[in-house]
Amino acid sequence: GEDVEQSLFLSVREGDSSVINCTYTDSSSTYLYWYKQEPGAGLQLLTYIFSNMDMKQDQRLTVLLNKKDKHLSLRIADTQTGDSAIYFCAETPAAGNKLTFGGGTRVLVKP
Amino acid sequence: SAVISQKPSRDICQRGTSLTIQCQVDSQVTMMFWYRQQPGQSLTLIATANQGSEATYESGFVIDKFPISRPNLTFSTLTVSNLSPEDSSIYLCSVEPAGAGLEQYFGPGTRLTVT
Repeated sequence: GEDVEQSLFLSVREGDSSVINCTYTDSSSTYLYWYKQEPGAGLQLLTYIFSNMDMKQDQRLTVLLNKKDKHLSLRIADTQTGDSAIYFCAETPAAGNKLTFGGGTRVLVKP
Repeated sequence: SAVISQKPSRDICQRGTSLTIQCQVDSQVTMMFWYRQQPGQSLTLIATANQGSEATYESGFVIDKFPISRPNLTFSTLTVSNLSPEDSSIYLCSVEPAGAGLEQYFGPGTRLTVT
């Protein structure tokens, strides 16, 4: 079955860049997502990328996809204290299908 | 995007009872999903709820334990029955709005604690 893996924890200093990594096993993964979950809150969709793309940039966020290695990363430029949260990557093979989530990476931004 | 609300936001229930969670969307959506997030864990899909048809349950989840209703295109309920402490989790609904491409949006979640 599908498997999505993430590192558990990332600590970064305010103003630095953060890079959160994700690997997946399902070769039919077509759409890959990044969600943010702040304490006590639901999931906020940050961005998503199609598998036929290598990169997508949206303001401070850059998503890189290496389809050959099944590796997805999220780079947050100029990390702020408000970026402290748990970040989940997720994948689905098609629209309308369930999302398979990674375990989440807890990002702590230190002043 | 879609604005999704859930009721209740949190509840404490006794074992053996049931809790019904409501999910309301501000636009019509074909597909709604119910997820469970156990403490400190990631999200796991419970079932997919399409209007006008029976919900489709994932492996490990059964209708008797998690009955779902989907009476119209903007509303769904998930009931967690015969509660045990292992059911203590956050329950989230999500939708994929028409015209939103592949964006799936999540409600704020319902935090359930079973004592």
